[in-house]
Amino acid sequence: RKEVEQDPGPFNVPEGATVAFNCTYSNSASQSFFWYRQDCRKEPKLLMSVYSSGNEDGRFTAQLNRASQYISLLIRDSKLSDSATYLCVVNMAGYSTLTFGKGTMLLVSP
Amino acid sequence: DTAVSQTPKYLVTQMGNDKSIKCEQNLGHDTMYWYKQDSKKFLKIMFSYNNKELIINETVPNRFSPKSPDKAHLNLHINSLELGDSAVYFCASSQDIGNTEAFFGQGTRLTVV
Repeated sequence: RKEVEQDPGPFNVPEGATVAFNCTYSNSASQSFFWYRQDCRKEPKLLMSVYSSGNEDGRFTAQLNRASQYISLLIRDSKLSDSATYLCVVNMAGYSTLTFGKGTMLLVSP
Repeated sequence: DTAVSQTPKYLVTQMGNDKSIKCEQNLGHDTMYWYKQDSKKFLKIMFSYNNKELIINETVPNRFSPKSPDKAHLNLHINSLELGDSAVYFCASSQDIGNTEAFFGQGTRLTVV
C-alpha cells in the first residue's frame, strides 16, 4: 500500500471553477500534514499546512479527517496561475522526514 | 538572498564518471535532506541529516555518499554514474526533523549519457 496516495491527474478546469484534490495516507499515527505546490521545472514550495480543525487561506481550504486518514484541498475561483502540481505531504509517525505523494496536476484554462 | 542554494543547476555527464552536487542553506536550520525526483515526478527521500549527523539513509546505492561539513552544507557525491541516476536532485532544509516546513533548493537536473 502506498504511504501517501493522491488522485491521479491531470485536472483540466476553466478559470473560475472550484476544484478539489484528495489524499489518503497509510500511517494512522501520522502527525503533520501539508500541501505543497510545484510549478513545471521548479522546486516544491509550501502552499499550506493542514490542521485538524481545517484551515483556509484566501481561495484555498484544507481539511483533515484523521478517522478516515484523508486530507483534502479545495481551490475556489481558479486562476490561470493556479496551474501546477499539488503535492500531498505527510510526516509519518516515527519517520524523521516528510513523505510526498506523487502529486496531482492542475491545468486551468481561459 | 536564496535560502537553499544548490549547484550546479544542470549536469550532463557520461556513464562511469564521478560527480558532486553542493547544497548550502542560510536559514540556520538544523536538518537538511536530499530528495530524488525521477521521470515520473515522484519525489523520494534519499538522505536526512540533523546537526551534521546522518538520520535517514534510504535504500540508496552506496555509490551515493552525502557529506555534511557543517550544519549549513550538505553535499552529495555520486560515484560510477549510471543511466538510471538521471533525475532531478533536490536539496532541502527544515528547522527540525520532519514536522516542519521544508525549504527546497532549485534542483539539479542530472543527465547521464
